Amino acid sequence: DQQVKQNSPSLSVQEGRISILNCDYTNSMFDYFLWYKKYPAEGPTFLISISSIKDKNEDGRFTVFLNKSAKHLSLHIVPSQPGDSAVYFCAASDDDYKLSFGAGTTVTVRA
Amino acid sequence: DTEVTQTPKHLVMGMTNKKSLKCEQHMGHRAMYWYKQKAKKPPELMFVYSYEKLSINESVPSRFSPECPNSSLLNLHLHALQPEDSALYLCASSQGGTGPDSPLHFGNGTRLTVT
Repeated sequence: DQQVKQNSPSLSVQEGRISILNCDYTNSMFDYFLWYKKYPAEGPTFLISISSIKDKNEDGRFTVFLNKSAKHLSLHIVPSQPGDSAVYFCAASDDDYKLSFGAGTTVTVRA
Repeated sequence: DTEVTQTPKHLVMGMTNKKSLKCEQHMGHRAMYWYKQKAKKPPELMFVYSYEKLSINESVPSRFSPECPNSSLLNLHLHALQPEDSALYLCASSQGGTGPDSPLHFGNGTRLTVT
C-alpha cells in the first residue's frame, strides 16, 4: 500500500515559469519529508527537506510547503531552468531509518 | 560526482551465477542502505546497516545477502536470482538515521539484468 503518492506522473513548464509538484501522504505519523531529484543513469540527489514542525522551507529557487491537516506537501521551483528537467521524488519518514518514496514526477522544462 | 560509489555500473548474470555488488562511501556516515528500484516505480528499501550492524531487513529473500565489512563498505551478494530480480540497485548512506540534517546520499546504482 503506497503511503506517499505523487498523482501527476509528468509536468511540462516553460523556462522561467514556476513548477509546482504535489505530493500526498496517508500516514499521519510521518514527521520528516524530503524531495529528491533524479537524472537518467544517476542515483537520486537530495534537494530539500522539511520537518513536520514547519510549514515552509526555502532554499534558493526551491521551496517546500507542508500542510499537515491535508497531509499534503508541494515543491515550488521558481524560476524553472532547463537543468531542472528530471524526475522528482517525494519521500517521507516516521522511523529513524525508513523512507517511503512516491512514484515520481517527470519534469520537462521547455526553452 | 557522487560521494557514494557503486560498482559495477551494469551487471548481467544467469540464474545460477553468484555475483556481488559493491558500495563505498568516505563521508564518515554511520548508516548504509540497499534499495531496489524497478522501472517507473519508487525505490524500495531492502536493508539498513547502522554502525556496521544489520538493523533492518525488509523481508528480502535469502538469495540476497548483505555484508558490511567496515563503516565505509557495503556489499550485496547475489545467488540464484530470478529474472524478476532485474532492477536498479541503489546504495545510500546517511550521517545517522533519516531525520533532519541527515538526508540519504545515493550512489548511481548498479543496473542488474538476470537472464
